[in-house]
Amino acid sequence: DGGITQSPKYLFRKEGQNVTLSCEQNLNHDAMYWYRQDPGQGLRLIYYSQIVNDFQKGDIAEGYSVSREKKESFPLTVTSAQKNPTAFYLCASSAGSPTEAFFGQGTRLTVV
Amino acid sequence: RKEVEQDPGPFNVPEGATVAFNCTYSNSASQSFFWYRQDCRKEPKLLMSVYSSGNEDGRFTAQLNRASQYISLLIRDSKLSDSATYLCVVNWTGRRALTFGSGTRLQVQP
Repeated sequence: DGGITQSPKYLFRKEGQNVTLSCEQNLNHDAMYWYRQDPGQGLRLIYYSQIVNDFQKGDIAEGYSVSREKKESFPLTVTSAQKNPTAFYLCASSAGSPTEAFFGQGTRLTVV
Repeated sequence: RKEVEQDPGPFNVPEGATVAFNCTYSNSASQSFFWYRQDCRKEPKLLMSVYSSGNEDGRFTAQLNRASQYISLLIRDSKLSDSATYLCVVNWTGRRALTFGSGTRLQVQP
């Protein structure tokens, strides 16, 4: 089945540690995105990538980093510089720029 | 002002009711419009695209008013399974990613 896979589903980390969230898609989509969602709020764009080896900052990129070495993969690193990292992180992909986007099941990150 | 604004609700309606949500957007260069549905603690899923002439998918009707910069979603004959948060989503020229509203929560009651 084609789709987007995020792992892990739940992640706990100590404050001050970097953590990397995985996102893999087999839809052959060129564009991939990372969003963050806080309780009762909408999705906010962290980073996006339209093509391999290229990515752009979204609205809330500070404290995050990404890479796009393969078309299928767009991992997100939450660094210790991110002041309030506890949130629901959603990865998405789309065929164009942008058509409708399809989401993975999300990673719920809790920093203690 | 938020780029995409929605009434957060909740909208509490009985089964079988008709309910409508509106969404306003601030950027007149907006070119693509969607409604997504998000269940509690799940990922958003595309409900329907919104076309200039309006479009219907079963019990769901979406409309776009470019002059007033708003989008609407009408749900007829509400089902218990329609209970969810409905996200208004917009894309505008020059921004290569979708912008999401905060969502409107719908609770359909028996």
